[in-house]
Amino acid sequence: NAGVTQTPKFQVLKTGQSMTLQCAQDMNHNSMYWYRQDPGMGLRLIYYSASEGTTDKGEVPNGYNVSRLNKREFSLRLESAAPSQTSVYFCASSEGPGQGHEKLFFGSGTQLSVL
Amino acid sequence: AQSVAQPEDQVNVAEGNPLTVKCTYSVSGNPYLFWYVQYPNRGLQFLLKYITGDNLVKGSYGFEAEFNKSQTSFHLKKPSALVSDSALYFCAVRDRDNNNDMRFGAGTRLTVKP
Repeated sequence: NAGVTQTPKFQVLKTGQSMTLQCAQDMNHNSMYWYRQDPGMGLRLIYYSASEGTTDKGEVPNGYNVSRLNKREFSLRLESAAPSQTSVYFCASSEGPGQGHEKLFFGSGTQLSVL
Repeated sequence: AQSVAQPEDQVNVAEGNPLTVKCTYSVSGNPYLFWYVQYPNRGLQFLLKYITGDNLVKGSYGFEAEFNKSQTSFHLKKPSALVSDSALYFCAVRDRDNNNDMRFGAGTRLTVKP
């Protein structure tokens, strides 16, 4: 079972370069999320999409844009990468929007380094 | 906004001993509480959640967690630790009135030694 698939797994960028992180889920989930994971800070929500056609900012949206391409796919774009965006990025999905206690299913992550 | 604190960066236990990973939360309303586990080079996996009702929640792999409203805590426990339990554990909270925003703690690294 594929679940949540993220590409690429690793990426090195130079400051100022742009890139798009891809995410797709095959569980027919309505809600999708992008998190970043930094040492000692846990996971922080960048953007989420409660349902197809909607996107909202999370805790740390600056420097990022997202596109909910269809129900399956939710991409994260860095328009002009900065060293502060060096992190591990996780995409997640859930059945929501609903009562709020739906569990999240995570992809395996993208390790991004910005030099 | 809601928040989660995991006061211990690292917890070390011997195999066979009980383990506890601590979590406290802050939320304006009533919480939904979660525990997730992360193995090396993997995404997070759901362990258990508290919605309402019984304060003791049982989850995957023999883990359980106790919800304590007065202490705003949701500690993860297991009666007998296994070496394979070694991983990074995250507590998370959602406010029932703002359930699009799940906040995670910084994580606790559990090491179980043979």
